[in-house]
Amino acid sequence: ILNVEQSPQSLHVQEGDSTNFTCSFPSSNFYALHWYRWETAKSPEALFVMTLNGDEKKKGRISATLNTKEGYSYLYIKGSQPEDSATYLCASSNSNSGYALNFGKGTSLLVTP
Amino acid sequence: NAGVTQTPKFQVLKTGQSMTLQCAQDMNHNSMYWYRQDPGMGLRLIYYSASEGTTDKGEVPNGYNVSRLNKREFSLRLESAAPSQTSVYFCASIWGLQAGNTIYFGEGSWLTVV
Repeated sequence: ILNVEQSPQSLHVQEGDSTNFTCSFPSSNFYALHWYRWETAKSPEALFVMTLNGDEKKKGRISATLNTKEGYSYLYIKGSQPEDSATYLCASSNSNSGYALNFGKGTSLLVTP
Repeated sequence: NAGVTQTPKFQVLKTGQSMTLQCAQDMNHNSMYWYRQDPGMGLRLIYYSASEGTTDKGEVPNGYNVSRLNKREFSLRLESAAPSQTSVYFCASIWGLQAGNTIYFGEGSWLTVV
C-alpha cells in the first residue's frame, strides 16, 4: 500500500492570496500522480494527471508540478477566490500496487472574502 | 452520458444486515474501484478491478466482497454490516491504468449502520 501524504491538513486564506500545498508519495516504480478537487457532497473532480519528472500543468489559476525522483508534487493556486474552497486530494500509483490509485487525506482549503 | 452511476445514494442498515452497492459506468472503462471516505481519512481503497474478470484487495478490504459482473458493472457487498462500515462509498472507473488517464467518480453512496 502506497503512503501518500498531504500537507497542510487544512488552510485558511484571504481572497486574493496565493497558496500552495504539498503531496509526497513513494518515488519507487512511480507511474502517475493525480490531483482532484473535492467539494462536500459532490464527486471528486479531476484537475491534473502527471507522469513525467518535471511535469508542470496549469488550469486557469491552478497549477501543479511534479518531482518523481524525490517523490513530491506541489499544487499552486494564484489569487485564491472563495469558490476555490474545497478539499484538494492527490493520488499516486506505481507498479508495485498493481497501478491502483492511492489517495492522500487531502488539504482542506477555505478562502474567505 | 451518465458517466459513473451508483445506487443507492442513501441507505440505513441494521447491524448484521447485508446489502450490495451497485456501480455502473457507460464509458467503456476497463478498470473500476471502490473507495470509502471517512472524516479525516481521505479516500481509502477497498477493492479494485483492473479489468473484467479480475479483482484485487485495496487498503481496507475486510468485511467487503466485490463482483465485476461485466465490463460495465462492479458491485460492493457487505455481508454482515457493522457500525464501523458507516461511511460514504465512492465508485470510480478509468479507461485503463496507463499513465495519464483520468479516473471518474460516481456521486457517492451514504451508508449508515445502526
